[in-house]
Amino acid sequence: ETGVTQSPTHLIKTRGQQVTLRCSSQSGHNTVSWYQQALGQGPQFIFQYYREEENGRGNFPPRFSGLQFPNYSSELNVNALELDDSALYLCASSPGQAGSYEQYFGPGTRLTVT
Amino acid sequence: GDSVTQMEGPVTLSEEAFLTINCTYTATGYPSLFWYVQYPGEGLQLLLKATKADDKGSNKGFEATYRKETTSFHLEKGSVQVSDSAVYFCALTPNTGFQKLVFGTGTRLLVSP
Repeated sequence: ETGVTQSPTHLIKTRGQQVTLRCSSQSGHNTVSWYQQALGQGPQFIFQYYREEENGRGNFPPRFSGLQFPNYSSELNVNALELDDSALYLCASSPGQAGSYEQYFGPGTRLTVT
Repeated sequence: GDSVTQMEGPVTLSEEAFLTINCTYTATGYPSLFWYVQYPGEGLQLLLKATKADDKGSNKGFEATYRKETTSFHLEKGSVQVSDSAVYFCALTPNTGFQKLVFGTGTRLLVSP
């Protein structure tokens, strides 16, 4: 069984640019969540997708957007990059929405904005 | 809103010492509680979980008990190993609505031989 995968591993962008990060969920999982982890901090929830619909969002501006595809893989898009967007972006998948379900994390994409 | 507070690190121990990392939470209702571990350069791995009051989660010698009366979920291990060196995150999800993990700031554990 393949776990959660993310691409790319590392990325360097310039302020003002746009970036797309990708996530493949674990087989059988229909829910994907994205988190931002700044250096030395705990992950912060960005949003969640369930069966291709966004069903929850954290305190992130609209320039953070996402998609979930019919195969339940997902993208995170960030427009107008700012220096503070530099972080590790984590994707997690789970077999459902309920809070008791375990979320399985990918290895993350390290984004550096210069 | 929901929040998690955990002790600041780093926690520095010698091999075979007893470990406690404190975690308290603020939440409405009955959240599920989790401990995640992050090894250097890697993503998060679930260590253990508890979904209702008085449940004890355990894995790889680690354990934590869901204490609703003290809103706590402290992580313990009787004898740590060098390989346990990592950052440990306490987290919760509400049991209503969508599933959103709320994390503490993490506690770095350093175990020396």
